[in-house]
Amino acid sequence: GDSVTQTEGLVTLTEGLPVMLNCTYQSTYSPFLFWYVQHLNEAPKLLLKSFTDNKRPEHQGFHATLHKSSSSFHLQKSSAQLSDSALYYCAWGYNQGKLIFGQGTKLSIKP
Amino acid sequence: GALVYQYPRRTICKSGTSMRMECQAVGFQATSVAWYRQSPQKTFELIALSTVNSAIKYEQNFTQEKFPISHPNLSFSSMTVLNAYLEDRGLYLCGARDGATEVFFGKGTRLTVV
Repeated sequence: GDSVTQTEGLVTLTEGLPVMLNCTYQSTYSPFLFWYVQHLNEAPKLLLKSFTDNKRPEHQGFHATLHKSSSSFHLQKSSAQLSDSALYYCAWGYNQGKLIFGQGTKLSIKP
Repeated sequence: GALVYQYPRRTICKSGTSMRMECQAVGFQATSVAWYRQSPQKTFELIALSTVNSAIKYEQNFTQEKFPISHPNLSFSSMTVLNAYLEDRGLYLCGARDGATEVFFGKGTRLTVV
């Protein structure tokens, strides 16, 4: 069935280092991929979504590229900031409006 | 802009009782509304997807008998948790879609069962 896999449960980095959070998906369709960020006691907020024309979405310094050949949509940032500490969810979506979420990755940035 | 309001934000109910939560889309027409549950230390599980003028589709492990949903128009949806028990606690999110690809989430209703 359709699924999203985030292999890292926790990623701990020092401020200023590059960030890469993994996301792979399994689907028989050509889905849209999303990254959501959730801060403590808040609802998830959309960070990035994939484009159908393979443009690379960017927001708040984060970017991700949809690679259909490897079924991946990894989240990257060149330099981590303390404020980036949060839960990050990769999600798969089709045209009906439902999302399938990965297990989430907790990103912890230390000074 | 597009906003989704959920209320109540927090609620506590006694084990075996029921509670209703609501979701309102403002600034756009919600052609579909999906309800999710985030249990403690877990990811978001899709409960059901409601599309106006179509039957509500429940995911495996969730039933209409336990989580009845009403989606009467393009701006409002409600879901009731019937006969709530400890395993039903968590953050219930409403995600509304505007006909494009983006899903807007409310801040959720946090359910505590005592």
